[in-house]
Amino acid sequence: AQKVTQAQTEISVVEKEDVTLDCVYETRDTTYYLFWYKQPPSGELVFLIRRNSFDEQNEISGRYSWNFQKSTSSFNFTITASQVVDSAVYFCALSEAIDYKLSFGAGTTVTVRA
Amino acid sequence: DAMVIQNPRYQVTQFGKPVTLSCSQTLNHNVMYWYQQKSSQAPKLLFHYYDKDFNNEADTPDNFQSRRPNTSFCFLDIRSPGLGDAAMYLCATSRGQGLDGNTIYFGEGSWLTVV
Repeated sequence: AQKVTQAQTEISVVEKEDVTLDCVYETRDTTYYLFWYKQPPSGELVFLIRRNSFDEQNEISGRYSWNFQKSTSSFNFTITASQVVDSAVYFCALSEAIDYKLSFGAGTTVTVRA
Repeated sequence: DAMVIQNPRYQVTQFGKPVTLSCSQTLNHNVMYWYQQKSSQAPKLLFHYYDKDFNNEADTPDNFQSRRPNTSFCFLDIRSPGLGDAAMYLCATSRGQGLDGNTIYFGEGSWLTVV
């Protein structure tokens, strides 16, 4: 069963626009971990953030911000004032407490045009 | 400096000719993973090691094998590559314990082409 759903396959924006990537997850565990990874064209998966299920505080890191809402099982990611270097595939992922494996969403391709 | 290092970055092999991809880590992490990622798809876990304990995913073909001779190194062996095995192979590590235990760090990937 799909545990992580990223409904947006592709998003295209013009530089300096904000872009929000949606992520909805499904788990029966009370303890779980949510992640976002960035994959630029070079291929490396770059870790962006990890969020524990018991910590619903939103987080901001520079132009990146994350909104975690347990009530809707969502962990959305916003890039503010997008730049061309933000062009990449972004993956949302879930890890349940019972193991150390990641369940990835299908990914969202973000294209930022100059 | 890269902490999860994969070699080679690009590998071309002939159909049916065995190939080995290598991975090393400087993080001293307990867990090492191999993922397969095909074009426009999410990474798919093939197997992982927790220390010396090998854990194979149920749907990983027998054609794929792995070795972990020590904490730092892990190898992916593809015994008889087929055209469908062309993909990027990602090595990853995690601490496997503690507060940050399941944050997974990836290498740059090895792109495999089968001709």
